Amino acid sequence: GAVVSQHPSWVICKSGTSVKIECRSLDFQATTMFWYRQFPKQSLMLMATSNEGSKATYEQGVEKDKFLINHASLTLSTLTVTSAHPEDSSFYICSARDHGQGTTEAFFGQGTRLTVV
Amino acid sequence: AQSVAQPEDQVNVAEGNPLTVKCTYSVSGNPYLFWYVQYPNRGLQFLLKYITGDNLVKGSYGFEAEFNKSQTSFHLKKPSALVSDSALYFCAVPQGSARQLTFGSGTQLTVLP
Repeated sequence: GAVVSQHPSWVICKSGTSVKIECRSLDFQATTMFWYRQFPKQSLMLMATSNEGSKATYEQGVEKDKFLINHASLTLSTLTVTSAHPEDSSFYICSARDHGQGTTEAFFGQGTRLTVV
Repeated sequence: AQSVAQPEDQVNVAEGNPLTVKCTYSVSGNPYLFWYVQYPNRGLQFLLKYITGDNLVKGSYGFEAEFNKSQTSFHLKKPSALVSDSALYFCAVPQGSARQLTFGSGTQLTVLP
C-alpha cells in the first residue's frame, strides 16, 4: 500500500514553545490530508482536514490559531502546535488518501507522541 | 451522519482459537466500511474494506470481515488467532465531501498464549 511518513515520532517540549509535525506522502500525491488526535486507549478524533493550496477545515472545538496547518504541496502537510501546554500532550496522527487512483482507504503516518512539560 | 459502533472494549481469546471483533454501522445509502489495526505507539494499518460485492471480504494477515446488511454489522474475524494479533482494532466509515474517516471506539484484542 501507499506510504505516509510522519516526523518526528516523539517530541518533548517546554510549555510555551511551538512544535511542528510533518506528514509526507512518499509515493503518491495527496490533495487532502487529515490530522487526528488520540488520547490513551481512546479512539481517533479528527482535528482538521488539510487541503493543498487552501485553508484547512477545522472540526468544531479545535482552535485554529493553536493548531496551525499548512499544506503547501501535494506531498506535505504540517501541523504546528503553538504555545504548547501540558494539556496538548497527546498522540497526533496524520493520514492521506491517494487522489490519483480514486481509492477510498486512507493511509496513516506512524504518529507523533507529543509531551509538553 | 455516518457512524460505527464497537460494542466491546476488550476481547480476549486463546491462541489458535477463532476471533471475532464486532462492529455495527449506521449509514445512509451504500455503506463503505473499513477495518484498521493499531499497534502500541504506532499509526493505523489498513486491514480490509467493504465497498460492494461479496459480503465476505478478505484482508491482510489472514483477517476477513462479513458484511451483514440485515444486522447492519461488519464483524472482523480470523479463524486462528496469533499472539501477534494482539492490538487495538478500529472499524471506520468515511463521510463528508473529503471522505474523512470516522472511527469506532476501538476494541483491544488480547490473544493469550
